[in-house]
Amino acid sequence: EAGVAQSPRYKIIEKRQSVAFWCNPISGHATLYWYQQILGQGPKLLIQFQNNGVVDDSQLPKDRFSAERLKGVDSTLKIQPAKLEDSAVYLCASSPSSGANVLTFGAGSRLTVL
Amino acid sequence: KQEVTQIPAALSVPEGENLVLNCSFTDSAIYNLQWFRQDPGKGLTSLLLIQSSQREQTSGRLNASLDKSSGRSTLYIAASQPGDSATYLCAAPAGNFNKFYFGSGTKLNVKP
Repeated sequence: EAGVAQSPRYKIIEKRQSVAFWCNPISGHATLYWYQQILGQGPKLLIQFQNNGVVDDSQLPKDRFSAERLKGVDSTLKIQPAKLEDSAVYLCASSPSSGANVLTFGAGSRLTVL
Repeated sequence: KQEVTQIPAALSVPEGENLVLNCSFTDSAIYNLQWFRQDPGKGLTSLLLIQSSQREQTSGRLNASLDKSSGRSTLYIAASQPGDSATYLCAAPAGNFNKFYFGSGTKLNVKP
């Protein structure tokens, strides 16, 4: 089966600019996650979708970050305006459900904010 | 909220050694726990998923154990190889919908 696809792989922007990341999960996976991984740290959950509904976005900085999952399949994560501290790798993952299932991660999108 | 801690943060061993990576978590009401491997500049690859009803899970030279009562999991790597060099992360779920919380990882270097 195809894995989790993410794009772009790399993005460099100036602070206060906007950026969007795209994720296509494994076909049929109901749950989709966006994680932020800052260098040297473990991934931190930003938002979790179950089908096309948000089940947790408690750690999403909603003043600048937004995410949507269209028709319960693809998802986009947007940052506007970006800050220096947003420099990180943004990882998308999916699982068949939110129960006891394996998370499958994409390769990630590395963001550098100058 | 789940707090996940991994010790040590970094480990350097000669090839062929057996080694143990540790993971501790604060909320023991978990359905499962996962171990991942991350190579530099890459995403995370799932290594082992241990269900709460299991005590151990094995895949090749890897063996993961889970002790819910003490809030601990260990990843045992037998006969380490240079290709095992990577960062190893554990993730434990908590709360509704099983949000996964990650430790900061153990960076392993296996020297030839």
